Amino acid sequence: SQQGEEDPQALSIQEGENATMNCSYKTSINNLQWYRQNSGRGLVHLILIRSNEREKHSGRLRVTLDTSKKSSSLLITASRAADTASYFCATSSGYSTLTFGKGTMLLVSP
Amino acid sequence: GAVVSQHPSRVICKSGTSVKIECRSLDFQATTMFWYRQFPKQSLMLMATSNEGSKATYEQGVEKDKFLINHASLTLSTLTVTSAHPEDSSFYICSFPPELYEQYFGPGTRLTVT
Repeated sequence: SQQGEEDPQALSIQEGENATMNCSYKTSINNLQWYRQNSGRGLVHLILIRSNEREKHSGRLRVTLDTSKKSSSLLITASRAADTASYFCATSSGYSTLTFGKGTMLLVSP
Repeated sequence: GAVVSQHPSRVICKSGTSVKIECRSLDFQATTMFWYRQFPKQSLMLMATSNEGSKATYEQGVEKDKFLINHASLTLSTLTVTSAHPEDSSFYICSFPPELYEQYFGPGTRLTVT
């Protein structure tokens, strides 16, 4: 069964705006990861946040984790058309296995 | 960084035939690999965990006799879809975990069964 549930399912914004995607999960985790997938391509790892971390930054990406609410958010600042892709959260509960959410399709218009 | 390749990138086959998909790690060796399936506009679903030198572990609902996995070496795993049917049409993605909590994904193979 799906562990992560992202919302929104689809997000359409203009270049320069910020994009926020949320992910909720159901069971205890060791870490949560965000991946990006361009249409018809493989996944690219964006960022990993451990269960004892609350916030992490990488370039224009900011990830938060609230283990009490079992939720995470991914913020992309100053979005670009090239950010158009699907974004997935994935949780790990202590092993290599990842459980993916349903994803958010982000469309950034020039 | 690590690179994972898959071959072929796209394949079209007739119903009833078998298709083999290769997944190679180009930069490192891994005793474990994962195979995922992704239907259009849906998430990745783990199909099986492939272990070098031993039998693969399949997720619930995945037929091991239909999806044959062979982890022949530390850099190569193959997935064979046997007697493929149109409902097997999907995007198949492999991944290597270079570390315990990280995975490098292949570019995927688009299978279309007619």
